[in-house]
Amino acid sequence: AQSVTQLDSQVPVFEEAPVELRCNYSSSVSVYLFWYVQYPNQGLQLLLKYLSGSTLVESINGFEAEFNKSQTSFHLRKPSVHISDTAEYFCAVSAATGNQFYFGTGTSLTVIP
Amino acid sequence: DAGITQSPRHKVTETGTPVTLRCHQTENHRYMYWYRQDPGHGLRLIHYSYGVKDTDKGEVSDGYSVSRSKTEDFLLTLESATSSQTSVYFCAISEVRGANEQFFGPGTRLTVL
Repeated sequence: AQSVTQLDSQVPVFEEAPVELRCNYSSSVSVYLFWYVQYPNQGLQLLLKYLSGSTLVESINGFEAEFNKSQTSFHLRKPSVHISDTAEYFCAVSAATGNQFYFGTGTSLTVIP
Repeated sequence: DAGITQSPRHKVTETGTPVTLRCHQTENHRYMYWYRQDPGHGLRLIHYSYGVKDTDKGEVSDGYSVSRSKTEDFLLTLESATSSQTSVYFCAISEVRGANEQFFGPGTRLTVL
């Protein structure tokens, strides 16, 4: 089975500052990795995903994440956050041959004006 | 946006009563999932379906049952609701397992008094 750890439950950051949301996973098989974002009172939306190839993946709104196999990590970064980035962020892992996603407990990002 | 609706969106019920939540999709995706979201736990899988009449248990299936008689509908039933089942329930769909992202519905907020 797989598991996901998001070490930071809450991350406050000032507007235009950089941010990193950490995600570590454990798995004995090949995995796919995802970051989802949840705005208040809404469902989850895919932010970005790593399936194969380049270990650095980017989203359309300036976030990026890097797959590090040796450290079993998939940290999410943004060089300059906006107020609109305030949301809950979830890391998820799926086995390459599995049916299920495993989600972390989430990181609440609050951007301070 | 993926065509996923959940009904009802909000429900308040009493302990011991049966409750059924409905997930409806218009995407013709094979896989459907029910999750519950609770503070400090992230999303946890309750049950999932990999085809009509094909379902399997997830991590927190006790007290829940599901049915899928049509590709587009996936029902979650709480046979006798308990206060511990107060939560936000999300339905998700995916086209294939593993690599494909899951698309989430808007959620159902259930309160069991």
